[in-house]
Amino acid sequence: EVQLVQSGAEVKKPGESLTISCKGSGYSFTTYWINWVRQMPGKGLEWMGRIDPSDSYTNYSPSFQGHVTISADKSISTAYLQWSSLKASDTAMYYCARRSFYYDSSGFRYYFDYWGQGTLVTVSS
Amino acid sequence: EIVLTQSPGALSLSPGERATLSCRASQSVSSSYLAWYQQKPGQAPRLLIYGASSRATGIPDRFSGSGSGTDFTLTISRLEPEDFAVYYCQQYSNSPPLCSFGQGTKLEIK
Repeated sequence: EVQLVQSGAEVKKPGESLTISCKGSGYSFTTYWINWVRQMPGKGLEWMGRIDPSDSYTNYSPSFQGHVTISADKSISTAYLQWSSLKASDTAMYYCARRSFYYDSSGFRYYFDYWGQGTLVTVSS
Repeated sequence: EIVLTQSPGALSLSPGERATLSCRASQSVSSSYLAWYQQKPGQAPRLLIYGASSRATGIPDRFSGSGSGTDFTLTISRLEPEDFAVYYCQQYSNSPPLCSFGQGTKLEIK
C-alpha cells in the first residue's frame, strides 16, 4: 500500500528554524517526484515546489523561492521541507504529495495521486 | 505563471441535482496536465480527475471532466451527500516543472 506519512504538528516562535518530513512507503521512492503544498487557515491550495528524490533536483514556485528549502534522503525514502527563520505568516497546514504519471498515445499525464496527512505548523510568539 | 480561475466560488445545490464547476486558465493548458481534486474538512485533497477527463481509481462515474485549451469543467451528474466539499483544479506543466491550483469552489448543501 502506497503511503506518505508526515511528521507531527509543530508550534514554533518567529525566527526559529523548522524541518518537517514526509516518508514514503509501498513504492519506489526514487521513481516519483515529491511536491509540497501549503494551505493557510481557511484558504486554498498553493504549490510550493518539488523534488526528484533520485537526484535531489528541485524546482520552486516563485512565491516560495528563497523562503523554504526542499530536500530528500532517498536512503530512508523521506522528503523534507525546511525553514531557517519562521514568520507568523508561515502558519498553515503543509501537505506532501506524490506526482504520478500516466503515458499513452496522447503523451504523458501528470497528477498528484497520493497525499500525506498534512503537518500543521503554528508560528506564534 | 499560469493562473487558474474557478467559478463559481460557492455553489448551493440539493442532493440529486447536477453540479457544473468551471476552471479557466490564463493561457492554454495541455489537457494532459489538468486535474481535479476534492477536499473535505480536516482531510487531505483527493484526486478525482486527471488528464482533464480520466477518472482516478475508485472515483464514481457520476464525476466527469471535460474541456481543452483554457476552459475546463468538472461535472457531478447526481449529487450524493458525500459530494459536498471543496473542489480544486490544478495544472502541472512539465517545462518548466511548475504547478498551480485554482482558488477552489465550495459545493454546499442547499
